[in-house]
Amino acid sequence: GQQVMQIPQYQHVQEGEDFTTYCNSSTTLSNIQWYKQRPGGHPVFLIQLVKSGEVKKQKRLTFQFGEAKKNSSLHITATQTTDVGTYFCAGSAVKTSYDKVIFGPGTSLSVIP
Amino acid sequence: SQTIHQWPATLVQPVGSPLSLECTVEGTSNPNLYWYRQAAGRGLQLLFYSVGIGQISSEVPQNLSASRPQDRQFILSSKKLLLSDSGFYLCAWKGGPGEQFFGPGTRLTVL
Repeated sequence: GQQVMQIPQYQHVQEGEDFTTYCNSSTTLSNIQWYKQRPGGHPVFLIQLVKSGEVKKQKRLTFQFGEAKKNSSLHITATQTTDVGTYFCAGSAVKTSYDKVIFGPGTSLSVIP
Repeated sequence: SQTIHQWPATLVQPVGSPLSLECTVEGTSNPNLYWYRQAAGRGLQLLFYSVGIGQISSEVPQNLSASRPQDRQFILSSKKLLLSDSGFYLCAWKGGPGEQFFGPGTRLTVL
């Protein structure tokens, strides 16, 4: 079945450094979403990418969808302590009526002040 | 605006006891609803989804069940909990394309 992998599993950075997490799917995706989960909280939707090669930006966050629609990345420029949390990618392989998505295991980001 | 409620927030239950977790959504009608489980330090595993009242589909075999007695109510149940049922249970509804909104979750510990 479809699998979604993320690397690294953990990342510790000094405040102000950049951070990147990578997401890879075993199958071609119709779309990919990114979520952030703060410690003790619930996942919060950040963005969805649909088009091959798509790049979207949200302030210091840059999201990219690969040309083959099998991988994606999230890059944070100049991390801040508010960026702490676990970042999940989630992908849909095929369109279904219930929008089934497969979540990656997440990358846990720690920011050292 | 839409909001999603879950209760209880935390729960400690002995092995073999029953379980009932409730999720309600406000501000939307006929939403697609989902139950996920998140083990400590892990990703989210889809357990059940529902596209309407009385319509439940299960993603993985387990000793859990789900019901949707009303349009905006989704219930997760078990007759006898196992140790492996411990985790963070999240209810979600489908917003825009690909977008899911999660409730605050229930942290279940089975002892």
